[in-house]
Amino acid sequence: QITLKESGPTLVKPTQTLTLTCTFSGFSLSTTGAGVAWIRQPPGKALEWLTLIYWNDDKRYSRSLKTRLTITKDTSKNQVVLRMTNMDPVDTATYYCVHGGGGLAMVREIDYFDYWGQGTQVTVSS
Amino acid sequence: QSVLTQPPSVSAAPGQKVTISCSGSSSNIGNNYVSWYQQLPGTAPKLLIYDIIKRPSGIPDRFSGSKSGTSATLGITGVQTGDEADYYCATWDSSLSGWVFGGGTKLTVL
Repeated sequence: QITLKESGPTLVKPTQTLTLTCTFSGFSLSTTGAGVAWIRQPPGKALEWLTLIYWNDDKRYSRSLKTRLTITKDTSKNQVVLRMTNMDPVDTATYYCVHGGGGLAMVREIDYFDYWGQGTQVTVSS
Repeated sequence: QSVLTQPPSVSAAPGQKVTISCSGSSSNIGNNYVSWYQQLPGTAPKLLIYDIIKRPSGIPDRFSGSKSGTSATLGITGVQTGDEADYYCATWDSSLSGWVFGGGTKLTVL
């Protein structure tokens, strides 16, 4: 069974860099087609996709946040790390680590997000 | 402003049927699979419908999905009080080269 769990700071100051770690089990990010995404949700607002990394280290970034985001993976540790620079109060949100499903390796992007972590609340404030 | 447009809220009495629309364009819904997510209060979203019409194991057949052109629809029959939640549609957007979500629809069971 697939599980994912986010970890990292709950409070960061404006201009700082946020680093979140997703530790997962039940699948391997070395398996062809596998992908893990980060999705966030500001309080009372909609879901927003941020980034995704594939088994072959191919990456996708939200166009609006591309310059601030970095996603990496450590396959041996079953971890995915999100870095977001220059944090601002508007980045206050719950950040979810999510397993991507469907798709067709190298042909079609993953089609849906089937397993979600519990989320981690991040507040940006001085 | 979300790329996919959903009504902010819908309501239904217990036992009734309700539909939630998700409107997009040819770069997203028109040419890609749509998925739907249910988010109960205070919890993480849960996959409800994938590949437009399919249900993951454990999701009752009261929930259904469909697509026509650049719009998708989530249907819920026999609405229950436990269905009160926020519902989101999502898909890949070829122009943005990223995944996009709708703004979410809050279902209230009267």
